[in-house]
Parts: sequence; C-alpha cells; structure tokens
Amino acid sequence: EDKVVQSPLSLVVHEGDTVTLNCSYEVTNFRSLLWYKQEKKAPTFLFMLTSSGIEKKSGRLSSILDKKELFSILNITATQTGDSAVYLCAVAVSAGSARQLTFGSGTQLTVLP
Amino acid sequence: DSGVTQTPKHLITATGQRVTLRCSPRSGDLSVYWYQQSLDQGLQFLIQYYNGEERAKGNILERFSAQQFPDLHSELNLSSLELGDSALYFCASSVGQGGPEQYFGPGTRLTVT
Repeated sequence: EDKVVQSPLSLVVHEGDTVTLNCSYEVTNFRSLLWYKQEKKAPTFLFMLTSSGIEKKSGRLSSILDKKELFSILNITATQTGDSAVYLCAVAVSAGSARQLTFGSGTQLTVLP
Repeated sequence: DSGVTQTPKHLITATGQRVTLRCSPRSGDLSVYWYQQSLDQGLQFLIQYYNGEERAKGNILERFSAQQFPDLHSELNLSSLELGDSALYFCASSVGQGGPEQYFGPGTRLTVT
C-alpha cells in the first residue's frame, strides 16, 4: 500500500523564523511529488518535483526532492502570519495512463506575530 | 481562485438519504478528480474521469458513484448515507489524464445527521 508520511504533525513558530517540513514516501510507480497549502478550504498548488536534487523556489518557499532516500523537504524562510496553514505533501503514482495522488496527513503550521 | 467550481457549498441531510455534488473544472481541463477529506482520514482520492471516461479509482465506496458529462462537468452521487460520510468533498481538475498538477475547487461540506 502506498504511504506518504509528513512530519512534524504540527509546528508553532514566531514571525521571522525559518521552518522545515518533511515528507517521506513509500510508493510503487513514483512519478512526482507535489506540495500544497491548505488554509480554510481548498488546497492550493505550490510545487511539483520530479528530479532529485533540483531545488524549486518561489519567494520565501523552497523545496527539494531526494529520490534515493525517498523524501522531500519544504522550507519557509522569514515566516509571516499569512503562512499559517496546513501543508500537504502528495505523491503522484502511475495508475495506467493516469496519475493518482496519495496525500500525507499534513503539517499544521501556526505562525505567531 | 483556482477556476474550479463546486456546488453546493454546504449540505445537511439525514442518514439513508441520497445527495449529488456537482463540479465544473477549469476551462480547458479534461480531467476531474474527486476527493474526500475527513478529520481522521485526511485527503483520500475517490475517482478520476477524463473526457467522460473513468480513468482511475481509489477508495470509493460502492454506495458512491460519479460521472462526467459531455460538457465536462462532473457529479458525485452519494447514497444510503451514513454518519461517517460526513466530510469535505473536493473536486480537482487537470489538463491531461496524467495530471498530476491538480487544481482544487472550494469543496462541499456534507453533514449527515
């Protein structure tokens, strides 16, 4: 059975701190790994990673994938209260010609002013 | 705003009843995915349709069914509802059948009493 495990489950930091969120996976037919941010409602897409060792960056957020060790990290620098959300990691696996996403349980990040 | 729309936003119904949730994908997207998110199970993939045809099936109960219409909107039908079916139901869409970059709608919160 495909498994995606995120840690920590929750994190409380102060504005300006840097955080690292972890995602490890055990899946068959890996295709890519995705990070989503979920605030009140719908998850919003952040990054998709397919190659090992190549960092994806968007502003204060960055992510990297290690396909040998089967994990990814999401870094957020200089955190702001608006970064408070659940961060979801998902792994896309092949399902015939389709790609099926398996999600981790998420990391709840709370940034205090 | 992802461009994916879902109706209704909230639904309250009784055990044993049947409901239909509706989703319109982003313009140009041919794939529609349905997910269930509950507190204890996280975000679970239910089913995917691509251009009207079923493409992948996840942990979807036999009491649940879905379809995608020629105009590409999709409906998820939930019947013989149980208390445990109370959850947020998300629809997501992507351009191709392989995704994997999926864009989520705002969700329908279903409460079964």
